[in-house]
Amino acid sequence: NAGVMQNPRHLVRRRGQEARLRCSPMKGHSHVYWYRQLPEEGLKFMVYLQKENIIDESGMPKERFSAEFPKEGPSILRIQQVVRGDSAAYFCASSPSFGTGGLNTEAFFGQGTRLTVV
Amino acid sequence: DAKTTQPNSMESNEEEPVHLPCNHSTISGTDYIHWYRQLPSQGPEYVIHGLTSNVNNRMASLAIAEDRKSSTLILHRATLRDAAVYYCILRDGNFGNEKLTFGTGTRLTIIP
Repeated sequence: NAGVMQNPRHLVRRRGQEARLRCSPMKGHSHVYWYRQLPEEGLKFMVYLQKENIIDESGMPKERFSAEFPKEGPSILRIQQVVRGDSAAYFCASSPSFGTGGLNTEAFFGQGTRLTVV
Repeated sequence: DAKTTQPNSMESNEEEPVHLPCNHSTISGTDYIHWYRQLPSQGPEYVIHGLTSNVNNRMASLAIAEDRKSSTLILHRATLRDAAVYYCILRDGNFGNEKLTFGTGTRLTIIP
């Protein structure tokens, strides 16, 4: 069972371009989380998605950022018109679904996409 | 989100046990205690989690206080590869609230 796969591992974009980051969750996982880590800082939650649904986007910047997790295919984090401040490592995590009652599981993280805006 | 408090940094000698403390005095009944670690230039890695009882796995042990207001991650025999930032996180077990909220963690240095 392959782990969480993120691609590309490194992405360089010029200011004003679009960045598309992909995350393939572990097989059988239906929950995906995106995090951002600025250089020398901690991990900040961005968005939590289930298949075709956004569950929690409280950490997403209001403009230029969007995320989706379609029925088929990977989850995509899209950053439009990138600026230098978007340079960071973006991590994706996945976990399996669990029923009501709070059955809790761990989350598995990918190796991240390191975005550099020049 | 419920908060945790950890020391900023700790040091330990190689091949000795390490006890990483975490305080979570505002923990609620549906919060699970999770520990993750992040090695340099890598994504976070799950270590262990528990609810009320102490837990053991191949990586570590988790000791949870009886009142659940604190916990301790125990690495039984530290190696150089255990040098990382360790995060203690409370994860709500209710659907929709399960995101992991990372604090600043404890940076563990292993001395050869």
